[in-house]
Amino acid sequence: IAGITQAPTSQILAAGRRMTLRCTQDMRHNAMYWYRQDLGLGLRLIHYSNTAGTTGKGEVPDGYSVSRANTDDFPLTLASAVPSQTSVYFCASSDRQSRAFFGQGTRLTVV
Amino acid sequence: AQTVTQSQPEMSVQEAETVTLSCTYDTSESDYYLFWYKQPPSRQMILVIRQEAYKQQNATENRFSVNFQKAAKSFSLKISDSQLGDAAMYFCAYRSAGFYGGSQGNLIFGKGTKLSVKP
Repeated sequence: IAGITQAPTSQILAAGRRMTLRCTQDMRHNAMYWYRQDLGLGLRLIHYSNTAGTTGKGEVPDGYSVSRANTDDFPLTLASAVPSQTSVYFCASSDRQSRAFFGQGTRLTVV
Repeated sequence: AQTVTQSQPEMSVQEAETVTLSCTYDTSESDYYLFWYKQPPSRQMILVIRQEAYKQQNATENRFSVNFQKAAKSFSLKISDSQLGDAAMYFCAYRSAGFYGGSQGNLIFGKGTKLSVKP
């Protein structure tokens, strides 16, 4: 059982570069999310998607974009990375019983 | 807007003892869910326990139980017979039953409590 798979697991990125974090689920959940986790701040919602073809902005969307071309994939793109985007990124999905499932996270360092 | 507050940045417990982690939340909604998640050093987010707001009975999962006080908007986690493997960050989270800010099922997290277990 794979659940949610994120790639890469870790990345060092030069400031100004473009980067896409990949997220794939095999549970056929409609709702998917991207969070960032920063020390002392917990997890904060970047973008969400309630179903394929729709996306929305969360609490901290600036500098990030997402797409949802199908049910399984929900990539997160940093168009031009900045050091403040150094964080751990989690992709998650939610089932009809309100349970959330998380990927293993991507640790991104922007230098 | 809904908020979740964990007032204890760090806690410590002796192995085999009991510890309680605090969580309060603010909402104007009557129907929602509350969760405790565990994040060990592996970084994986693990669901510990889930509470439905319309259920008065406190949820229990083996050594983990909650004290859900809806009127007080309090949702504490009790860990009994603490084990070394319980050492982790613990996050309290809130989820609306419906759509919130356009998002269905988004979790609102507290800032976390780091639990240490002493042998």
